[in-house]
Amino acid sequence: DVKVTQSSRYLVKRTGEKVFLECVQDMDHENMFWYRQDPGLGLRLIYFSYDVKMKEKGDIPEGYSVSREKKERFSLILESASTNQTSMYLCASSFMSGGGYNEQFFGPGTRLTVL
Amino acid sequence: GDSVTQMEGPVTLSEEACLTINCTYTATGYPSLFWYVQYPGEGLQLLLKATKADDKGSNKGFEATYRKETTSFHLEKGSVQVSDSAVYFCALIMNTGFQKLVFGTGTRLLVSP
Repeated sequence: DVKVTQSSRYLVKRTGEKVFLECVQDMDHENMFWYRQDPGLGLRLIYFSYDVKMKEKGDIPEGYSVSREKKERFSLILESASTNQTSMYLCASSFMSGGGYNEQFFGPGTRLTVL
Repeated sequence: GDSVTQMEGPVTLSEEACLTINCTYTATGYPSLFWYVQYPGEGLQLLLKATKADDKGSNKGFEATYRKETTSFHLEKGSVQVSDSAVYFCALIMNTGFQKLVFGTGTRLLVSP
């Protein structure tokens, strides 16, 4: 079974703190993604990566950065957390497309609260 | 840009009732369409998909048919169970360029015994 794990299920941080969210996948997937999920807004793509050290901005990258030093690990960084970054963060991974759609597999999510 | 619109929830049903969750899309080309399900405390799982017009995706008793003429992909189930209580997301992906999923806002389904 494909497994995508996230470092924490729940996290509470203070405004201005630097926050690291970690994601690890065990299926040798090339693509990895970070989404945030908010009520009434669905899932929105923050950043994605299609290879080690490669990253691309998604729809809402402001206030976030990412790091992909190893193929299996994709980190989301909040340089200076703010209350409007309180949300559920979901990581996903997939094979690189060779034509057709490759299913994205999701982790369980990290619920981040910024006070 | 490409977008997905799905019905507001929550949808509250009794066990064995029929379910329909509406989903319509806007896209410049011919997307592939998906339903994802999120059970309480878990990440999203792919429920079913359809890659071209008139395709029917099905899984676990759920069905959805890709209707190009109405740009719709409604999710249906003939008899829901308590275990179907979850949030359901309709999504699309364009078949060109980098494959970025575009999600609807999600519909919560609550099934009572």
